[in-house]
Amino acid sequence: AQSVAQPEDQVNVAEGNPLTVKCTYSVSGNPYLFWYVQYPNRGLQFLLKYITGDNLVKGSYGFEAEFNKSQTSFHLKKPSALVSDSALYFCAVRPLMNRDDKIIFGKGTRLHILP
Amino acid sequence: DTEVTQTPKHLVMGMTNKKSLKCEQHMGHRAMYWYKQKAKKPPELMFVYSYEKLSINESVPSRFSPECPNSSLLNLHLHALQPEDSALYLCASSQAPLGAVTQYFGPGTRLTVL
Repeated sequence: AQSVAQPEDQVNVAEGNPLTVKCTYSVSGNPYLFWYVQYPNRGLQFLLKYITGDNLVKGSYGFEAEFNKSQTSFHLKKPSALVSDSALYFCAVRPLMNRDDKIIFGKGTRLHILP
Repeated sequence: DTEVTQTPKHLVMGMTNKKSLKCEQHMGHRAMYWYKQKAKKPPELMFVYSYEKLSINESVPSRFSPECPNSSLLNLHLHALQPEDSALYLCASSQAPLGAVTQYFGPGTRLTVL
């Protein structure tokens, strides 16, 4: 079965420190990979996506993610965390082989940046 | 502009009421989506419209009825809902069906069924 795993329910990071939010996937073939962020009582905001090419993808608000095919991972990173980065983060995948418009979301990771 | 708008922001309805949620985008996107999201959970896909035609129905109960009047509008008609249907309902759109297209989400409608 195709799936996305975000192994951490919550990640706590001190402001100014680097942050990593983990994501691994299990799909047939190559995937398209996405990260979204959701602030309280808001919709999801697109951060970045991986299609092909350079394994390091840069996105909005200083976030980046690294695609690792051998480890089937797409971890979200930021060099220096801000308190305003505190939110719920979703990793999502769309397998290339799928012939529909569905994307598979991970369960989400709550990022808490400590001042 | 990557804005998807949704109205109303909040909706409280009884189990016998009929109401509608509305979604609008003016980005020229040809795929539109309805998701249901419970607190602290990922969005669950309900329906997909592709070029104004229903392409995916994720076995959603018939008390939810989607409608796509044109390429910019998406409605979700609600009738005889249950309290467990209370959730955040998200609309999204993407440039075209399939491919590595990004889905852009609206702010959602917070629905409470009494």
